[in-house]
Amino acid sequence: QLQLQESGPGLVKSSETLSLTCTVSNGSIRSSSYYWGWIRQPPGKGLQWIGSISHSGNTYFNPSLESRVTISVDTSKNQWSLKVYSVTAADTALYYCAGQAVVGTGGLDPWGQGTLVTVSS
Amino acid sequence: EIVMTQSPATLSVSPGERATLSCRASQSVNSNLAWYQQKPGQAPRLLIYGASTRATGIPARFSGSGSGTDFTLTISSLQSEDFAVYYCQQHNNWPLTFGGGTKVEIK
Repeated sequence: QLQLQESGPGLVKSSETLSLTCTVSNGSIRSSSYYWGWIRQPPGKGLQWIGSISHSGNTYFNPSLESRVTISVDTSKNQWSLKVYSVTAADTALYYCAGQAVVGTGGLDPWGQGTLVTVSS
Repeated sequence: EIVMTQSPATLSVSPGERATLSCRASQSVNSNLAWYQQKPGQAPRLLIYGASTRATGIPARFSGSGSGTDFTLTISSLQSEDFAVYYCQQHNNWPLTFGGGTKVEIK
């Protein structure tokens, strides 16, 4: 079954760029069956959807983050990436990648295990 | 943006009892509503999609209902492993939005 794994630095300095990658296993990122998304969770708080990308490169973003976020796909590596620019302490969170079925369930499944990113001053 | 509101924020329930969690959308999401369970230190797990369909491997004690703006997740008889935080999420419109969560704790 499809498996996802996040990777990237766990510590980013304030005002710099947060970069994360999610790698797909047991499946293809070229699949038209999924949107590929990013969700984050600040410590002790709830879930916030950041954005998603389709296999064809169409992107959708949370309006509150859209000006600082890009999502891209690298089909050669079977992965997709997140960049958050000009980070502050408010961007400290557990970052998850997840697949969302285009048809069928429509829910976010599967999820990666998550990776904690801390923004330091 | 569709705002999802969950209630209550915390629900204290004894093992074996029934738990009823609510989720309300600020506008209709049809049946495009999912429920997730999150335990400490774990990623969320999809429980229910399409408002009422259990995801693969989810026990029958979990059930979802509702459409439009009002939704309910019911756990018929709480087991020890069910104490967790539950989130609803709409996927009817971009941006995707989550509710604030309901923590189900042991009474």
